[in-house]
Amino acid sequence: GIQVEQSPPDLILQEGANSTLRCNFSDSVNNLQWFHQNPWGQLINLFYIPSGTKQNGRLSATTVATERYSLLYISSSQTTDSGVYFCAANNNDMRFGAGTRLTVKP
Amino acid sequence: DSGVTQTPKHLITATGQRVTLRCSPRSGDLSVYWYQQSLDQGLQFLIQYYNGEERAKGNILERFSAQQFPDLHSELNLSSLELGDSALYFCASSRESGGGEQFFGPGTRLTVL
Repeated sequence: GIQVEQSPPDLILQEGANSTLRCNFSDSVNNLQWFHQNPWGQLINLFYIPSGTKQNGRLSATTVATERYSLLYISSSQTTDSGVYFCAANNNDMRFGAGTRLTVKP
Repeated sequence: DSGVTQTPKHLITATGQRVTLRCSPRSGDLSVYWYQQSLDQGLQFLIQYYNGEERAKGNILERFSAQQFPDLHSELNLSSLELGDSALYFCASSRESGGGEQFFGPGTRLTVL
């Protein structure tokens, strides 16, 4: 099955800083999603982005399907952005990366 | 709120027991997916049903089984439970049978003692 790798595994930021999270996948996909898992364990949909670029407030994402990677940008980070960010790719069944644990300090 | 509901939220049971987890998909979604999130294995796809039929199978143990009912809700049955089955179990749903955006429920946290 498809392999999904995320980097960095951990990220610590000061409030107000910007960050870029990366997701590499090993094969062509028909679905690529970014999720935020909050401290209560909920998986919140951020982007459904098999290709192209999308923006939602302070967050944006870009997927370059031909080069098999996706990027999640977080600008002007807030403490509420803390948690684990997962990338998941699907070409037959959904495979998740190991996640990036983001800590935003006040 | 994703629109996907799961019950119960928490479940504590003993080794060797059997439990049933329930999921109701978003209105209009025909696909239901089950996932397991454990500390050592991360988030793993278990199984997918589309409109009542099994569509795809992942790393689901033989002790586990699932079904999707005519009203599209789904149940995941876990039997002969072991300590290692302790995990967060998620259900997700989507409109399509493959490739569409999936929306996740709040999860059921299973603790096997």
